[in-house]
Amino acid sequence: DIQLTQSPSFLSASVGDRVTITCRASQGISSYLAWYQQEPGKAPKLLLYSASTLQSGVPSRFSGSGSGTEFTLTISSLQPEDFATYYCQQLNSYPLTFGQGTKVEIK
Amino acid sequence: EVQLVESGGDLVQPGGSLRLSCAASGFRFSDHYMDWVRQAPGKGLEWVGRARDRAYSYSTELAASVRGRFTISRDDSKNSLSLQMNSLKTEDTAVYYCVRTWTIGGISYADYWGQGTLVTVAS
Repeated sequence: DIQLTQSPSFLSASVGDRVTITCRASQGISSYLAWYQQEPGKAPKLLLYSASTLQSGVPSRFSGSGSGTEFTLTISSLQPEDFATYYCQQLNSYPLTFGQGTKVEIK
Repeated sequence: EVQLVESGGDLVQPGGSLRLSCAASGFRFSDHYMDWVRQAPGKGLEWVGRARDRAYSYSTELAASVRGRFTISRDDSKNSLSLQMNSLKTEDTAVYYCVRTWTIGGISYADYWGQGTLVTVAS
């Protein structure tokens, strides 16, 4: 199985900050990676797919990059509604796997 | 508007069985692979399994943790997805999400999620 390791697991940031979350895969997954945002008590929401393509309706302050084994999610200017938990997911091979999550909290 | 509504979550004893259902609307259900994803209380997301479409003979994939105990099925005539869970264990306690996937470049990404249904396995 492909393991995904996110770092950090927790980060504290202020409104307006630039935030970067990393997702590392235990083996190469090309660009078959998605990023999700989950607010407390809600279902996850797709932010990006194919590592760097923004899902329709997602603000442009979100961006993604990477291929192979290392990927990043960047929020260029953190907004109050962005305080949530973020997950990466690999879709290269079964079983599909998620990272453990990164919780972004208000500083 | 895409809607996915899960039902069937309940409190069940270890070793018991439960069947979850997902009613889909607002899109052509038969065109999409469908997933189940679960989330234990306070924990991260865990992919449970996938049901492919008619073009792939409705074949399924399951996580190793549930293989042999859980079965995924779909009924395109009713726009419905099901998860039959047998031999339940306490570690199966979770919110179960029904998820629509959307295929691009041969890869199916989870683009819509239901609100989830809670399964609690306890004595």
